[in-house]
Formats: sequence, structure tokens, C-alpha cells
Amino acid sequence: KAGVTQTPRYLIKTRGQQVTLSCSPISGHRSVSWYQQTPGQGLQFLFEYFSETQRNKGNFPGRFSGRQFSNSRSEMNVSTLELGDSALYLCASSSTGPGNTIYFGEGSWLTVV
Amino acid sequence: AQTVTQSQPEMSVQEAETVTLSCTYDTSENNYYLFWYKQPPSRQMILVIRQEAYKQQNATENRFSVNFQKAAKSFSLKISDSQLGDTAMYFCAFMGGGSNYKLTFGKGTLLTVNP
Repeated sequence: KAGVTQTPRYLIKTRGQQVTLSCSPISGHRSVSWYQQTPGQGLQFLFEYFSETQRNKGNFPGRFSGRQFSNSRSEMNVSTLELGDSALYLCASSSTGPGNTIYFGEGSWLTVV
Repeated sequence: AQTVTQSQPEMSVQEAETVTLSCTYDTSENNYYLFWYKQPPSRQMILVIRQEAYKQQNATENRFSVNFQKAAKSFSLKISDSQLGDTAMYFCAFMGGGSNYKLTFGKGTLLTVNP
């Protein structure tokens, strides 16, 4: 069974631009969540989607948004990029059920210059 | 809000020895789940072990085991017979019960296994 797949793996953007990151969950998983990892703040929860609905949202500005499609694939978008948005963005998926294990992708490295 | 604290930013251990990583958490919930994830230099987050709070028995996965003390809100990870491939960042994580799919992570402990 294929794991969580994230694209692109690496990207460089300029301040003020926007970026879209894509995530394909493990087959059969309907919950997709996103995390930001930085050296200063560590791992922070961005949002979680289930059946195309955002169920949970972390404490990030409105520039960070996401969506989920009917096939459970998800995208996250960051608009008006700032230098501080440089980070590893991790997507994760989980099957239905409380406490089910969350499996992570390899991440998308975003550098804002 | 839940918080997870890992008090050891870095640790080192000799190959084949045993090491214990500490984690404490704060929550008012009674039903929840705890995880240890490993992040090697490749940055892929890999699940090491999972514990359900309503289970008193400590979880074990081969060389990895936990000491779960619910009253003390403590969840330490013991790695036995340490191997060079265990060198990684280790994160303790909390997930609330119900339909909460959000993980709250600690700051991590960088473990180095020396030959």
C-alpha cells in the first residue's frame, strides 16, 4: 500500500507570492491533516480535513488555507508568503476511528526568499 | 489546551545499551492517546509506538517500550539494545479522545547512538 505522498518535495518562492502544496493520503484514509515544522516553533498543527470538511484548525493566520477533494486528496495554500513561512510542511492521513495512528508523508520543504 | 513537554533536548547512548526518553503532558481529558514518533535525518516522521490511555498495560514494539504513568501524566520511551539506525529526533505526541485527529507534539529529543 502506498504511503502518504506529497508534492512538490522542494520549492523556493519569493516574498509576496503564493504557494500550493499537494497531498495524496494512504488509500482508504479519509482524514488528512497538515503540520508546519520549523526550528523555532517545532511541529504545529495547521488543519484537518475529513470528507471535504475542515474539522479542526490550528492557530495560523488566514493566509493559510486548505481544502480536500472527494477522493480525499488535499491541498494547502499559503498566500502572500513571508520569510517566516519557510518550513517543512508535513501532510498526514488517518483512517476513521478515535486514536487511530496518523501516518506522515515525507514533507514539502518551502523556502521563502 | 494540551501541552507536551520533553525535558531532554539531546541525549546520547552507546550502541547496544538502553536509553530512556522522557515526556510529560498536561490534559484534563480522561480518554486520550499518546505516541512516540521518530524523525531521522530524512525528516520522514515514523511511528514508533502508540499507547491508549484507558489501557493500563504499557505498549511494547520489539526493542521499544513505554512507561505510561497516567496519574503522573508521564509517558517515557525506553529503547533497548540501541542501534546506529536509532539515531534520530524523537517526538512525543498527544491526541485527545473522541473524533479529535489533532496531534500536539513536544519539542523533541535528539538521540545519538554512538558506535
